[in-house]
Amino acid sequence: DGGITQSPKYLFRKEGQNVTLSCEQNLNHDAMYWYRQDPGQGLRLIYYSQIVNDFQKGDIAEGYSVSREKKESFPLTVTSAQKNPTAFYLCASFGGGSYYGYTFGSGTRLTVV
Amino acid sequence: QKEVEQDPGPLSVPEGAIVSLNCTYSNSAFQYFMWYRQYSRKGPELLMYTYSSGNKEDGRFTAQVDKSSKYISLFIRDSQPSDSATYLCAMRYTGNQFYFGTGTSLTVIP
Repeated sequence: DGGITQSPKYLFRKEGQNVTLSCEQNLNHDAMYWYRQDPGQGLRLIYYSQIVNDFQKGDIAEGYSVSREKKESFPLTVTSAQKNPTAFYLCASFGGGSYYGYTFGSGTRLTVV
Repeated sequence: QKEVEQDPGPLSVPEGAIVSLNCTYSNSAFQYFMWYRQYSRKGPELLMYTYSSGNKEDGRFTAQVDKSSKYISLFIRDSQPSDSATYLCAMRYTGNQFYFGTGTSLTVIP
């Protein structure tokens, strides 16, 4: 079945540590996105990529980095510069055409310990 | 002013009730309108989508778009405890950029 796979489901980060969240899709979608979700704040866009080897900052990119070396993969690194990383992170993809909505992954819950 | 406004609730209704969820928006260029359902600790799943104005029905769910009022609604008939979730509205114009509401938390009490 086509879809988006995010891993791990739960991740714990120590102070000063970089961690990478994985996002893989087999939908052949060109566009991929990373969102952060906090209670009461909805979805906030971190980074997005329209094509391979290109990506753009979203509204809250500081402290995060991404790469898009393959169409299927869009990993997100949460760096030590992100001072409040505890949140639920969602990856999404979009393929246009007659389909109007994003497909979301199941999310990664990141907690600072 | 946010592009999309959504009452966060929480909304609590008895089983069997009709639920009305709403969003307003400011950008008249939006053409595609969606509703997502998100269970706790899960990713959102697409529930309904509508292009431009009008109604769309799928089982117990009806999506309405009123572009003249910049207002969209999702109605759930005969609500069930399994409908308990957060509902997010989303919209876009011609590009790939989506704009989301903050979500409304719904609890259906048996």
